[in-house]
This record gives sequence, structure tokens and C-alpha cells, in this order.
Amino acid sequence: AQTVTQSQPEMSVQEAETVTLSCTYDTSENNYYLFWYKQPPSRQMILVIRQEAYKQQNATENRFSVNFQKAAKSFSLKISDSQLGDTAMYFCAFMKQRGYGQNFVFGPGTRLSVLP
Amino acid sequence: DAGVIQSPRHEVTEMGQEVTLRCKPISGHDYLFWYRQTMMRGLELLIYFNNNVPIDDSGMPEDRFSAKMPNASFSTLKIQPSEPRDSAVYFCASSFKGLPTDTQYFGPGTRLTVL
Repeated sequence: AQTVTQSQPEMSVQEAETVTLSCTYDTSENNYYLFWYKQPPSRQMILVIRQEAYKQQNATENRFSVNFQKAAKSFSLKISDSQLGDTAMYFCAFMKQRGYGQNFVFGPGTRLSVLP
Repeated sequence: DAGVIQSPRHEVTEMGQEVTLRCKPISGHDYLFWYRQTMMRGLELLIYFNNNVPIDDSGMPEDRFSAKMPNASFSTLKIQPSEPRDSAVYFCASSFKGLPTDTQYFGPGTRLTVL
């Protein structure tokens, strides 16, 4: 079974600074997808970024980028120029290439606070 | 589009009562998902539908839970009878074709408290 670990339950960062959230996973699959989701205080889950394991190039979405290390099974999220609106829970998630169902596994989350 | 709509936003009930949670997916989305979020277990997929047909319900915790999708624009998750350990936030999400490259859009969730 796949597992996703986020070793930082809470983090904080000053506005405009850069922060990196860690995620590691365990799988025997070779092809899969990794995700970062954001859950702000409004509770709604929002997709931040997605990485396909067969792509060596790290995904980027504006101020959000990932460092995907397939051999190390590591998938960290870097937030540049942090904004107050980035305050949220961040969940790392894993999905087998086959798609949804029980193949979609979420980590326990990291609570990020952006300080003014 | 208004996004995924869930009702009610909050539900407080007593143990033993029937609870029905409702979801309206984004129009045109073929896939609908029900999730449960608790402090102890995190976010778990309960069941998902493709074109109104349940595809995988292996995440449903027990027979007290049931989900239906009578048409493309409406789904329910029912708990009967409810128990205090069912207290959680229940999310509904939908996606276009259910592929890993499709984005799942989540609703705002229903916070259920069973006393």
C-alpha cells in the first residue's frame, strides 16, 4: 500500500519570504502522480500543483514549484514570495497512474502560517 | 459555474438519527467523489461515481453508510443510524473525466457533529 508522510505538522514564514514544505512517499509503482492541495480556513480543498512521475522536469505554477526526487521518493513544495493568503493546510497526495479510487492517498498535512 | 455545491454546511444531530448530505457537482463533470476528513485519519476517499454509477465504494466504512447518484446533477451520502465517531467534515468533489490529469474540484464541505 502507498503511504504519504509530511514530517512538518506546522510551519511559519514571514510575508515575502520563501518556504519549503516536505513530503515523502512510499510506493513500488514506477508511474504515478503527485499533488499538493491547499486547504485555507474556508475549508475548501484547492489543487496547487501536480507532478507526473515520468516527467523529470519539476512542475511550477507561478510562485509554487516542486522539487521532485523520484529515487528518494521525495516531493517538496516551495512557495516563493509568500503572501498572507497562502496561510492554509497543505496536503501532499499520491495517485497511481491507473487513476482514482483507493489509489488516491493523502498525507496528514502541514499547517502553514504566513506572518505579516 | 458556481462550483461544487454541498448542503448543509453544518449538521448537528443525535446518535441514532439518520443524516443525509447533499452534493451538486459541476455541470459536465462525469466523476463525483465523496471524502471524509477527520483529525485521526486525515482525508479519506469513501466512494466515487462515474456517469452516476458507483465505481468503487471500498472506502465506505460500514453498512451504515450509503451513497446514491440518481442523476448527473445530484448525489447524496446517507448515514443511518449515525454514531458520534461519524463526526467529521464530509467533502464532495467532481472532475471532468476522472483522469489523474483532470483537476478535482472540491465543495466547501459539510461539518457533521453527532452527539
